[in-house]
Amino acid sequence: EDKVVQSPLSLVVHEGDTVTLNCSYEVTNFRSLLWYKQEKKAPTFLFMLTSSGIEKKSGRLSSILDKKELSSILNITATQTGDSAIYLCAVAFPGAGSYQLTFGKGTKLSVIP
Amino acid sequence: EPEVTQTPSHQVTQMGQEVILRCVPISNHLYFYWYRQILGQKVEFLVSFYNNEISEKSEIFDDQFSVERPDGSNFTLKIRSTKLEDSAMYFCASTGQGGEQYFGPGTRLTVT
Repeated sequence: EDKVVQSPLSLVVHEGDTVTLNCSYEVTNFRSLLWYKQEKKAPTFLFMLTSSGIEKKSGRLSSILDKKELSSILNITATQTGDSAIYLCAVAFPGAGSYQLTFGKGTKLSVIP
Repeated sequence: EPEVTQTPSHQVTQMGQEVILRCVPISNHLYFYWYRQILGQKVEFLVSFYNNEISEKSEIFDDQFSVERPDGSNFTLKIRSTKLEDSAMYFCASTGQGGEQYFGPGTRLTVT
């Protein structure tokens, strides 16, 4: 049973398009939600969200958490071919003091020129 | 900028052999983790380590696995008797006070 669900699983867009990636999770009591970009190997940290309704922004990427809807979105504006990657959503569920992450399956984004 | 490092980048071993994967977490971080990703699948949590002991472990982390922090900088994952199904990418990660978790570049383990 998946606790973190991402949609869509894959997406193909043209350069310059804006995309919205979705992540939903099942538990109400959680510590944080994190977004990562995975190109060839390691997940690269993008954002950590803990508070509902507060947008985090970095260049053309932004993300927001909705605790009421148990979901988060990652927006990428003016996409470039370098944005092609798998975007991972992960949730830190309550644990015995650690921040272990449960990952979704990821959204594979392909940006074509 | 501080980063998590891992060695080796690729390890090939025969079934039944022991392997040790090495990681150097970010120096002022307190929590350390191992995750694995089988090709084409999700990243899966294996174990977390805090204050020189295992904090949590998943069902995957059975008696074949162990972790150690042998000195002030290294963090290792040992697999005692590797199986074909242990072939995966193994990621080390670390977290500081704020909760942001950073991953190393990974070790690709191939068991033949």
